[in-house]
Amino acid sequence: AQSVTQLDSHVSVSEGTPVLLRCNYSSSYSPSLFWYVQHPNKGLQLLLKYTSAATLVKGINGFEAEFKKSETSFHLTKPSAHMSDAAEYFCVVSDPGGSQGNLIFGKGTKLSVKP
Amino acid sequence: EAQVTQNPRYLITVTGKKLTVTCSQNMNHEYMSWYRQDPGLGLRQIYYSMNVEVTDKGDVPEGYKVSRKEKRNFPLILESPSPNQTSLYFCASRTGSSEQYFGPGTRLTVT
Repeated sequence: AQSVTQLDSHVSVSEGTPVLLRCNYSSSYSPSLFWYVQHPNKGLQLLLKYTSAATLVKGINGFEAEFKKSETSFHLTKPSAHMSDAAEYFCVVSDPGGSQGNLIFGKGTKLSVKP
Repeated sequence: EAQVTQNPRYLITVTGKKLTVTCSQNMNHEYMSWYRQDPGLGLRQIYYSMNVEVTDKGDVPEGYKVSRKEKRNFPLILESPSPNQTSLYFCASRTGSSEQYFGPGTRLTVT
């Protein structure tokens, strides 16, 4: 069975400092992995996705994530946080064949950015 | 414009009064899903559909029904809503192993 664990429920950084949001997954297959962002009172927006091509994936707004199979991790990073990055972030794993059409969501990490 | 639409966006209702939340996508996607989002629990899948007339239960299907009579529409039906179904609901669609495209959400309150 697939699962995804976001290791921190809340991360707080200062503006201009690096961001690291951690995600570990469990999958019997070669998974597709995604990061979504949800700003307050908004819907979900795709940040980036990994689908077995390059292991370092670049997304929107300066975010990137690295797929590490040996560590079963897919951590999200950004070199320099901006106030507008304050939001909730979800790591998501998908079964590769899409046979169930199901995505497994992590419980989310709320990112706060201090001035 | 490619999008997933949901209606209504906000709904306050009373226990036991049947309601339907509509979902429509204009991208010809095969897969459609309903999720509920609750604080500290992330998004949990209620039902999904792999194509017309093909639906299956997700992780939290109790108290919900769905139908997929047309490819573009995937309504969520609460036959007898209860307060524990107060939540934020998202409809989503995708094709193959692509990312999910989410609707804007429906905030439901059951009193």
